[in-house]
Amino acid sequence: GENVEQHPSTLSVQEGDSAVIKCTYSDSASNYFPWYKQELGKGPQLIIDIRSNVGEKKDQRIAVTLNKTAKHFSLHITETQPEDSAVYFCAARGAGGGADGLTFGKGTHLIIQP
Amino acid sequence: NAGVTQTPKFRVLKTGQSMTLLCAQDMNHEYMYWYRQDPGMGLRLIHYSVGEGTTAKGEVPDGYNVSRLKKQNFLLGLESAAPSQTSVYFCASSRTSGEIGELFFGEGSRLTVL
Repeated sequence: GENVEQHPSTLSVQEGDSAVIKCTYSDSASNYFPWYKQELGKGPQLIIDIRSNVGEKKDQRIAVTLNKTAKHFSLHITETQPEDSAVYFCAARGAGGGADGLTFGKGTHLIIQP
Repeated sequence: NAGVTQTPKFRVLKTGQSMTLLCAQDMNHEYMYWYRQDPGMGLRLIHYSVGEGTTAKGEVPDGYNVSRLKKQNFLLGLESAAPSQTSVYFCASSRTSGEIGELFFGEGSRLTVL
């Protein structure tokens, strides 16, 4: 099955700086890569996703890049703000995956230092 | 908009006791899921359902049972709780489509087994 590795497990950045979280996946047939943000005491919430036919996707201060050859994808957050502090999860879904086909990374705790 | 609602939010059990977690969604979604979240382990799928009356095993199903008698509800049962089942449990749902898209999560149920 799919295996998703996520790094780093903790990331501390100064407010206003950029943050990058990286994930690798094992199944070359995977075709859908979402990112979820989990605030303290809440459930995860989708913030951005990318499909395998696209190399980059942006939404205001966040962007995701995908390198299918190297089988890795990254979340980029620019001009970080205190409200960006949260746990971020990447995930990958295999081409043959159904309702159970989404595999999550172990999460990155992003800390924005004032 | 209630979205996905989980009850109870907190519960303490003794080893061997049984309990049921209830998940309700008001978005008319076909797919529903139960995940557990443990420190450093990310989100792992326990069981899922692709429609009323159906259930299937996920990555870590042992020790749990589920039922989907009504489309809007998905119940997770522990027949004989064990300390290893101490975790935060999240219910999620997604809409029917050719591709399984965004997961909508509840706020979680924290279970402690003594």
